[in-house]
Amino acid sequence: NAGVMQNPRHLVRRRGQEARLRCSPMKGHSHVYWYRQLPEEGLKFMVYLQKENIIDESGMPKERFSAEFPKEGPSILRIQQVVRGDSAAYFCASSPSLNTEAFFGQGTRLTVV
Amino acid sequence: GQQLNQSPQSMFIQEGEDVSMNCTSSSIFNTWLWYKQDPGEGPVLLIALYKAGELTSNGRLTAQFGITRKDSFLNISASIPSDVGIYFCAGRLNTGNQFYFGTGTSLTVIP
Repeated sequence: NAGVMQNPRHLVRRRGQEARLRCSPMKGHSHVYWYRQLPEEGLKFMVYLQKENIIDESGMPKERFSAEFPKEGPSILRIQQVVRGDSAAYFCASSPSLNTEAFFGQGTRLTVV
Repeated sequence: GQQLNQSPQSMFIQEGEDVSMNCTSSSIFNTWLWYKQDPGEGPVLLIALYKAGELTSNGRLTAQFGITRKDSFLNISASIPSDVGIYFCAGRLNTGNQFYFGTGTSLTVIP
């Protein structure tokens, strides 16, 4: 049973470009979380999704950031018009239901130059 | 958002020693999780706790869900070099969706 798969592992974007981060949850998991981590810091919640629905996006910036988890395919975190401050590690986690543990992927390290 | 206070911030111990770290919150949580993160990697789940007072072991690791539901503890016995890393606690509120993460405990094991 493969774990949570994130790609790409590393992504470099110039200021103003778009970044698309993909997350395939573990088999049988329909709940996906996205977190952001800055160097030397803990993980900050961004958004929680179930298949085709955004349940909680209270941690996501109101502008430039969006997330989706379509019926088919991976969950996507999209950052438009990236700025240097968006540089961070973005982690996805999945769980089979709400009140269970979450398993993390290896993350996507975004660098904005 | 919720603040999880994790302590100590860092630890330097000799191989073979036992380690204790804890996490406290101002709110009541219904789930506590403990993760280990190596540099450049994602957090790896170590132990999950769902009931107040619950004590759960995973090999040399033991974690407890505090009776007050506002804290949790992680103990590592007989530490080895591969225990090196950053340990994070995470908790979820009764009414919440997200996991709130602590600030991490950096563990260094000296051979």
